[in-house]
Amino acid sequence: GNSVTQMEGPVTLSEEAFLTINCTYTATGYPSLFWYVQYPGEGLQLLLKATKADDKGSNKGFEATYRKETTSFHLEKGSVQVSDSAVYFCAGIYGQNFVFGPGTRLSVLP
Amino acid sequence: DAGVTQSPTHLIKTRGQQVTLRCSPKSGHDTVSWYQQALGQGPQFIFQYYEEEERQRGNFPDRFSGHQFPNYSSELNVNALLLGDSALYLCASSPTVGYGYTFGSGTRLTVV
Repeated sequence: GNSVTQMEGPVTLSEEAFLTINCTYTATGYPSLFWYVQYPGEGLQLLLKATKADDKGSNKGFEATYRKETTSFHLEKGSVQVSDSAVYFCAGIYGQNFVFGPGTRLSVLP
Repeated sequence: DAGVTQSPTHLIKTRGQQVTLRCSPKSGHDTVSWYQQALGQGPQFIFQYYEEEERQRGNFPDRFSGHQFPNYSSELNVNALLLGDSALYLCASSPTVGYGYTFGSGTRLTVV
């Protein structure tokens, strides 16, 4: 079946460090791809999305580029802040439904 | 404009009981999907409702059932609760045309 895989956490960084969270997807039908963020005790918030190959999604300093050749959608941010501490989920829409990765917990230390 | 509203936010049930969770979709959305998020895991698709019918279903047993009402709101019912049903249950709504997938804040179910 379809799957989305992302790097295992937790990831711990110092404030202003560079962030990369790797994500790969099953290429069946080349799904639209998403990054969601979940803060403690809350639901999912859409961070960014890309609907086709070579699209770049961006929001709040985060970026991810839809790579068809490597079936990847890695999340990057040039300078993380303490407030970015959360769990990040990579996801793809296959047909009508989301398939989520397992999540990567990010902790940013001051 | 209200987003997706779920109720209750938390509840505790005893093993073997039945539970009903509720979801009101975002205005203008007519499709409702339910997801189960176990602790430390990504959300897993349960089923999707459109035009008051179950359109697609994930790999969940028949103990999980749902309903959609004419106003597009939806219920998720779980019978014969197991300890393993403890999770955050997320509702998401979307329009028939165009993208607009919106998640609710979820209902945290604890089975004891």
